Amino acid sequence: DAKTTQPNSMESNEEEPVHLPCNHSTISGTDYIHWYRQLPSQGPEYVIHGLTSNVNNRMASLAIAEDRKSSTLILHRATLRDAAVYYCTRSSNYKLTFGKGTLLTVNP
Amino acid sequence: DAGVTQSPTHLIKTRGQQVTLRCSPISGHKSVSWYQQVLGQGPQFIFQYYEKEERGRGNFPDRFSARQFPNYSSELNVNALLLGDSALYLCASSLALVSGNTIYFGEGSWLTVV
Repeated sequence: DAKTTQPNSMESNEEEPVHLPCNHSTISGTDYIHWYRQLPSQGPEYVIHGLTSNVNNRMASLAIAEDRKSSTLILHRATLRDAAVYYCTRSSNYKLTFGKGTLLTVNP
Repeated sequence: DAGVTQSPTHLIKTRGQQVTLRCSPISGHKSVSWYQQVLGQGPQFIFQYYEKEERGRGNFPDRFSARQFPNYSSELNVNALLLGDSALYLCASSLALVSGNTIYFGEGSWLTVV
């Protein structure tokens, strides 16, 4: 299974925007892009998902490249509670394919 | 509303034993999936069930099996446990097949095999 590619770690300051990149160059036309985040000893928490258009919700925004080979999760104002491992995943008809994720550190 | 619930939260088993993990999906959700997450890695897909039928299976040995009940709850069984089966086992539910649906995960069952 082709997985997504993300930086191992990123750092941000509190109240600043954060842009988390993801490459999914082999994504098929019907695969959705989902983002999750996970705190230690907890299950993954849903953040956002989309197919082609940019998506917004109360937690974040998802910007999807026109060729769909990459996407960016945008946290508009990082808080200390946003520190977590962020996973960019691709969904086929029956499963999510996870990579190793990006560890986001938020500095006060 | 209750989210995806899993039981037990933690358990310790001995090599060679068998384990059963349980999952209750969000009310109204008909699709349940199981994932294995070892330390430092992202979750790996094991099974997906929709309307009580297996719709997908990941690259796991036949020691792993699952089923979905008429109330859409699910069980994951692992036989002949190996040390390498130690992991966080996650259940996820969605309204229908994965694709564009929002998929919600439970908090997981921590399995330690000694």
